[in-house]
Amino acid sequence: EAEVAQSPRYKITEKSQAVAFWCDPISGHATLYWYRQILGQGPELLVQFQDESVVDDSQLPKDRFSAERLKGVDSTLKIQPAELGDSAMYLCASSPSTGKNTGELFFGEGSRLTVL
Amino acid sequence: SQKIEQNSEALNIQEGKTATLTCNYTNYSPAYLQWYRQDPGRGPVFLLLIRENEKEKRKERLKVTFDTTLKQSLFHITASQPADSATYLCARGGGYNKLIFGAGTRLAVHP
Repeated sequence: EAEVAQSPRYKITEKSQAVAFWCDPISGHATLYWYRQILGQGPELLVQFQDESVVDDSQLPKDRFSAERLKGVDSTLKIQPAELGDSAMYLCASSPSTGKNTGELFFGEGSRLTVL
Repeated sequence: SQKIEQNSEALNIQEGKTATLTCNYTNYSPAYLQWYRQDPGRGPVFLLLIRENEKEKRKERLKVTFDTTLKQSLFHITASQPADSATYLCARGGGYNKLIFGAGTRLAVHP
């Protein structure tokens, strides 16, 4: 069964360092999402791609976060510099839907970031 | 703004009973609501989608309702089992292919 792949699974870093997360969505899925989930809260959308284009990045802290999906397939989310408040689970999801009505999202296992 | 509110308190029930989780939304009714299950340290897994014009949807032991008058969705698990223990997330459509999630409700089923 096809899955969304994410790496690394766990990352511990010191504040002010740079961090990068990678996501490979299910083959053929046009839409890719990066969510951040703080412990005890629900996932919060950071950025949404439709193929290689950003559709929504309104909640992405652009002074320190960047995301790209250059060939419309895999994606990288970068944080530079990392801050203590960035400690969270970073979830990648993909969906085959391209229209207005979203079908289910397929999530990866997430990347757990701890900033010391 | 569009919000999803779920009971933040954990729900504790006895094995075999029916678990009922509540999801309330604000502002206009979304075209659909989705429910996901999330185990600790894992990504959410899709369970059910219910559209605005559907009152009820079932899948095995799961049932979801959508009440546009109360602005509420109820998620039921019948004959609950300890393996059903997890956090359940409700999500609404928030625009072009966008999902807005609630904080989730943790369910604990005791033998």
